[in-house]
Amino acid sequence: GQQLNQSPQSMFIQEGEDVSMNCTSSSIFNTWLWYKQDPGEGPVLLIALYKAGELTSNGRLTAQFGITRKDSFLNISASIPSDVGIYFCAGLWNYGGSQGNLIFGKGTKLSVKP
Amino acid sequence: KAGVTQTPRYLIKTRGQQVTLSCSPISGHRSVSWYQQTPGQGLQFLFEYFSETQRNKGNFPGRFSGRQFSNSRSEMNVSTLELGDSALYLCASKLQGRDQETQYFGPGTRLLVL
Repeated sequence: GQQLNQSPQSMFIQEGEDVSMNCTSSSIFNTWLWYKQDPGEGPVLLIALYKAGELTSNGRLTAQFGITRKDSFLNISASIPSDVGIYFCAGLWNYGGSQGNLIFGKGTKLSVKP
Repeated sequence: KAGVTQTPRYLIKTRGQQVTLSCSPISGHRSVSWYQQTPGQGLQFLFEYFSETQRNKGNFPGRFSGRQFSNSRSEMNVSTLELGDSALYLCASKLQGRDQETQYFGPGTRLLVL
């Protein structure tokens, strides 16, 4: 079945640094989503990408839908302590309105040293 | 507008018992999905309900079941609990369950099976 490989698994960076993480798959996805999960909370949607090649920003966050439709990356610029958390990518592999078609990566745990 | 709420937030059960978790979606949302989140497997789709009907089901054994009521509130039940069922169970809602709608997650119910 469809699988997403998310990397890196964890990152430990200095405040102010830029961060990059990505997701790849051997399968084609029609939509890529990026979520952030804080401790004790559910994931919150950061950015949604619906078209191959699309580059979308949300404040200091920028994400791109790969041209091959098999990958996506998320960049965080000038990281701050509140960026700490786990970031998940998710790919929608088939249209049809069912959430069963949404596959999640294993997450990237971000820790920032103040 | 209140977010997705889940009760209880924490639960401890023993092997062989059964458990019922509850989810109240955002007012007006008709699609409710359930996910299991574990460190090893990440976020895995359990099932989705829309207008009181199960629309899709993930690859979980029949011990995992759910239902949705006419007010869109949903419950999931796990019977004959096993140690491996210890996880964070997340509920998420969408307005109509369409692909490009934002899915909102609740804070989750953390289940520990002893």
